[in-house]
Amino acid sequence: AQSVTQLDSQVPVFEEAPVELRCNYSSSVSVYLFWYVQYPNQGLQLLLKYLSGSTLVKGINGFEAEFNKSQTSFHLRKPSVHISDTAEYFCAVSEGSSASKIIFGSGTRLSIRP
Amino acid sequence: EPEVTQTPSHQVTQMGQEVILRCVPISNHLYFYWYRQILGQKVEFLVSFYNNEISEKSEIFDDQFSVERPDGSNFTLKIRSTKLEDSAMYFCASSDTSGYGYTFGSGTRLTVV
Repeated sequence: AQSVTQLDSQVPVFEEAPVELRCNYSSSVSVYLFWYVQYPNQGLQLLLKYLSGSTLVKGINGFEAEFNKSQTSFHLRKPSVHISDTAEYFCAVSEGSSASKIIFGSGTRLSIRP
Repeated sequence: EPEVTQTPSHQVTQMGQEVILRCVPISNHLYFYWYRQILGQKVEFLVSFYNNEISEKSEIFDDQFSVERPDGSNFTLKIRSTKLEDSAMYFCASSDTSGYGYTFGSGTRLTVV
């Protein structure tokens, strides 16, 4: 069974500073990995996903993530954050097949200070 | 870009009443899902559906819940007798066979009073 651990429940960052949101997963099979963003009172928006190929994945809004199989990690990074990046970020994993459920982490609340 | 459409966006119901949440998946997708997010918590898998039957369900998905694809375009989640603890955001999702097309709807916020 897969599981996802997001090590930080909250991450406060100053505007224009870099940020890294950490995510580790466990699985006995090959996986697909995702990062979703949820703005207050809104739905889930896909930031980026890793299915196969290059381990460095670029997503929307200037975010990127790196799949590290040996460390079972998929950390999310952005070199310079904006106030508009304030949101909840969910890391998620699914078994490497199209029909699999997605297992979400508990989320990291990113708060940007001016 | 194709979307998964959920209606209504917000539903208020009295405890003990039946509710049906509706979803229109992306037209060429074959796999359908429901997820739930209780306020302030993480998103949890409820059920997956393929070829007109449930392919997997979580322990949350008890006898109070059922899913149906009544007409080839809609995908519904029915809660037979709602409880206060069913209050949550419910997300529908659909997927194609490649895994690249996994798409969530914008959710239905269910409030049980």
